[in-house]
Amino acid sequence: DGGITQSPKYLFRKEGQNVTLSCEQNLNHDAMYWYRQDPGQGLRLIYYSQIVNDFQKGDIAEGYSVSREKKESFPLTVTSAQKNPTAFYLCASSGTGGRNTQYFGPGTRLTVL
Amino acid sequence: GEDVEQSLFLSVREGDSSVINCTYTDSSSTYLYWYKQEPGAGLQLLTYIFSNMDMKQDQRLTVLLNKKDKHLSLRIADTQTGDSAIYFCAESIGGSGTYKYIFGTGTRLKVLA
Repeated sequence: DGGITQSPKYLFRKEGQNVTLSCEQNLNHDAMYWYRQDPGQGLRLIYYSQIVNDFQKGDIAEGYSVSREKKESFPLTVTSAQKNPTAFYLCASSGTGGRNTQYFGPGTRLTVL
Repeated sequence: GEDVEQSLFLSVREGDSSVINCTYTDSSSTYLYWYKQEPGAGLQLLTYIFSNMDMKQDQRLTVLLNKKDKHLSLRIADTQTGDSAIYFCAESIGGSGTYKYIFGTGTRLKVLA
């Protein structure tokens, strides 16, 4: 089955800790994205990557970091500098030619205690 | 700037048709999408339409695009309780392999039995 997996589904973090969210895809997509979703709001872009070893900041990158060492993987680290990290985090991927439909993973809900 | 707007709520009776509306501002959009999000889950692609099309039908779903008014709608025929979810409109803009996706805030559809 081709798709996008995110782990864990639920994550709890103490204030001041860094935490890493996993995103893996086997769709052979070049581009990968991280979004944050807050209740009653749409999706806000955190970071995106269109090719291995390259990534760009989205609209709300402060307090987050990413890496793209492999085509299949795009982990997101939520650092202690992120002041309000409790949210639902969605990873997506797409091709980079023609109809570049984004496909989404199941999401990770991060709660800061 | 780029913006996608949707009404926040829609309530319909089971068996009726639902119409979810969306307006966008960027006329350079290439594709427009409808996604469905169930509670605690990621976004599931429902359908898409290329920007030079007026209409697309896919089983119970009909997408209408009025490019002049920058208005997109999703009609769900014979709405069922399983259709209760949040529906996101999105557009992709850009070219030459670089695409940006703009999402609306989502419309929460409630189907009454």
